[in-house]
Amino acid sequence: AQSVTQPDIHITVSEGASLELRCNYSYGATPYLFWYVQSPGQGLQLLLKYFSGDTLVQGIKGFEAEFKRSQSSFNLRKPSVHWSDAAEYFCAVGFKAAGNKLTFGGGTRVLVKP
Amino acid sequence: DAGVIQSPRHEVTEMGQEVTLRCKPISGHNSLFWYRQTMMRGLELLIYFNNNVPIDDSGMPEDRFSAKMPNASFSTLKIQPSEPRDSAVYFCASSFSELGVNEKLFFGSGTQLSVL
Repeated sequence: AQSVTQPDIHITVSEGASLELRCNYSYGATPYLFWYVQSPGQGLQLLLKYFSGDTLVQGIKGFEAEFKRSQSSFNLRKPSVHWSDAAEYFCAVGFKAAGNKLTFGGGTRVLVKP
Repeated sequence: DAGVIQSPRHEVTEMGQEVTLRCKPISGHNSLFWYRQTMMRGLELLIYFNNNVPIDDSGMPEDRFSAKMPNASFSTLKIQPSEPRDSAVYFCASSFSELGVNEKLFFGSGTQLSVL
């Protein structure tokens, strides 16, 4: 079965610093890849997605992610973090063979220091 | 668009009681998902519907859980009888899916369920 791993449970970053969140998946086929963000007390919101084509994808709020097939990774980055980026971030993986089923990672909680 | 609407926002009940969670998906969406979120297990897919038909309910924990989608604009998740270990945040999400690919999920704000 496919799995999604987010190795970092918590990350603390200073405002203005860069941020990188790691995501690794396990499956034989090329997946569809997503990053979602969850603010406290809210549902998840899609940041960006990769289906095919350019492996560097741009999302909302200044985020980007890069698909690296050789590493089975889809890491999320932001060059300069704002206090409003404090939230929990979820990587998710889907496969066409699995239809509409997404598998979510355990999430990474990001804390932003002033 | 009002987005995915879930009710109630919070539910506190006693063990053994029946609990019904409700969801109104975004108009025009053809897929609906029920997720459960806990600290221990993260975000788990319970069941999803496509065109009102349950496609995959392998995530439903046990027979105490049931879900229905009588029409394109309404779904329920029922727990009967409820147990303390069912305490979690339950999210409903919807999407428009073409060619079997789910491009973007829109989540509701969730129902915080506490079973005492």
